[in-house]
Amino acid sequence: SQQGEEDPQALSIQEGENATMNCSYKTSINNLQWYRQNSGRGLVHLILIRSNEREKHSGRLRVTLDTSKKSSSLLITASRAADTASYFCATALNTGNQFYFGTGTSLTVIP
Amino acid sequence: EAQVTQNPRYLITVTGKKLTVTCSQNMNHEYMSWYRQDPGLGLRQIYYSMNVEVTDKGDVPEGYKVSRKEKRNFPLILESPSPNQTSLYFCASSLSGNNYGYTFGSGTRLTVV
Repeated sequence: SQQGEEDPQALSIQEGENATMNCSYKTSINNLQWYRQNSGRGLVHLILIRSNEREKHSGRLRVTLDTSKKSSSLLITASRAADTASYFCATALNTGNQFYFGTGTSLTVIP
Repeated sequence: EAQVTQNPRYLITVTGKKLTVTCSQNMNHEYMSWYRQDPGLGLRQIYYSMNVEVTDKGDVPEGYKVSRKEKRNFPLILESPSPNQTSLYFCASSLSGNNYGYTFGSGTRLTVV
């Protein structure tokens, strides 16, 4: 399966600390996306990074992509309690039109 | 407001009783898709549609049907629901194919007894 795998499965940090989660995938991609999901709600798109990009920023989010290692990381700086959620990576392959989601990282930010 | 609207939010039904979950988007997106989310399995794609009258199977299409007669609507049909279709379902749309981010609906929690 192309499904991405996030690591760690669960992460608990204090408010103000940085949170890093990783995503690994198996085959060549067109782009990789990160999403946030608050408990039982719809996913919210955070950032898209294309295969020819190595790093992107959006506010307190920083995403890196290493295509040679087939991995990506999402860094959330200065975390807040409101960042508590599950975070998913999704990969879009070079061929076809499907997205493949991982199983997610559950982030808890303790006030 | 740009959004994807799914209905209903919650549904409890009995095995074998046909049901339809509706999905509508107001962003003129070409690409629409259905996912189911189950604990430990993440989101799995059921069907997707590149445009009107074009639909394709995802990874778990068995037991589901879709149609795309209009650009804005993409209903999910369960002709004969079974308990293993109990899940949280999401509809999502993107501007075009998988080159753009998804906008997700709020989800439909389906229980089949």
